[in-house]
Amino acid sequence: DAGVIQSPRHEVTEMGQEVTLRCKPISGHDYLFWYRQTMMRGLELLIYFNNNVPIDDSGMPEDRFSAKMPNASFSTLKIQPSEPRDSAVYFCASSLSWTLAWGHTVDTQYFGPGTRLTVL
Amino acid sequence: KNEVEQSPQNLTAQEGEFITINCSYSVGISALHWLQQHPGGGIVSLFMLSSGKKKHGRLIATINIQEKHSSLHITASHPRDSAVYICAVRSVKGGATNKLIFGTGTLLAVQP
Repeated sequence: DAGVIQSPRHEVTEMGQEVTLRCKPISGHDYLFWYRQTMMRGLELLIYFNNNVPIDDSGMPEDRFSAKMPNASFSTLKIQPSEPRDSAVYFCASSLSWTLAWGHTVDTQYFGPGTRLTVL
Repeated sequence: KNEVEQSPQNLTAQEGEFITINCSYSVGISALHWLQQHPGGGIVSLFMLSSGKKKHGRLIATINIQEKHSSLHITASHPRDSAVYICAVRSVKGGATNKLIFGTGTLLAVQP
């Protein structure tokens, strides 16, 4: 498998422009996660989906951010309008979860290479 | 106070040294992950633990659920181990069992 695929790998845009980041999860995985990494705040979970349905979007910073997962093989994270403080590396990750005998649900997340966003 | 604390924040070691990175957390968890982020930015999942100990090559991860503490050990360290090591816990707070909370990472530099 090619792993989690993200595009573009680098994006430079001007403040106010719309930015769309794309992610293709590993085939068969039922969870998809969007993370943001900055020097100041480290890695942060923005939103995650289970079977294409958003489960927890409490990490989405504000209404300028939106994420969709129209099908099991594709997701987008959109920022409109973009601001310089949105500059960060955005990672997508996917996983296949299973429930262990004692009821805990655990999984290994596989990360994409990330998209480095610079908003001027 | 962060819910996941790592120590040390920075670590410089000589090749061949035994290295320990610590992670403490304050929330209930269902699992703990150790991740490695290479200088180029790529993130790799090293271990996922819910109890006990796991070993993969020169890497060993342990977790003590009662003490809410995990350690990542690297034996016979090598310059290619230089990376940021990130601890992340899968919180059960609020019933959201698939939400990862990250530590701030430990920057490891292994010198030849």
